[in-house]
Amino acid sequence: AQSVTQLDSHVSVSEGTPVLLRCNYSSSYSPSLFWYVQHPNKGLQLLLKYTSAATLVKGINGFEAEFKKSETSFHLTKPSAHMSDAAEYFCVVSPPNTGNQFYFGTGTSLTVIP
Amino acid sequence: GAVVSQHPSWVICKSGTSVKIECRSLDFQATTMFWYRQFPKQSLMLMATSNEGSKATYEQGVEKDKFLINHASLTLSTLTVTSAHPEDSSFYICSATIPTSGRTYEQYFGPGTRLTVT
Repeated sequence: AQSVTQLDSHVSVSEGTPVLLRCNYSSSYSPSLFWYVQHPNKGLQLLLKYTSAATLVKGINGFEAEFKKSETSFHLTKPSAHMSDAAEYFCVVSPPNTGNQFYFGTGTSLTVIP
Repeated sequence: GAVVSQHPSWVICKSGTSVKIECRSLDFQATTMFWYRQFPKQSLMLMATSNEGSKATYEQGVEKDKFLINHASLTLSTLTVTSAHPEDSSFYICSATIPTSGRTYEQYFGPGTRLTVT
């Protein structure tokens, strides 16, 4: 069975400090992994994705994530938080060879303190 | 990137009436679209998978007679909430997928529809 765990339901950082949002997954094989951001009353926007290429993935708005197979993790980072980063973030897993199957984490709410 | 639109963005209806929500892929064809429901401060809950030209596949616990899904073309899927009740009030989000390299897919989301049933 596939599952996604976002370890923190809420993260609060000061503006200009680093952001770390954690995601662990369970999968028998290397899945595709995605991070999405959702601002209030909006749809989800793709930040970045891992699909078996480079393990360090760079996304939009300065976000990065590193796929670590040994730790089954795909944590999202950003060196310096901006006020506009305050939003809900979802880690999503799509197991290999499953076609259109996606498993969502429970989300992490990021607050940025001015 | 690919764009998915939803219409309306918000709707208020009276209890007992039906509401139709449209999901369109604007610059690509989507054989598969997904419908999600999202409660406040929660993750997305998959309601059904909409397949062009065939019946939708509903997740366990989702009433198919209440949430009618039609995927009549490669760019349009509709969700009709029939005989809506206040408990159906929620944020509904659709998505469409595009195959990428290998056998992986990428999901693109619509902006969501806020339904309020009074």
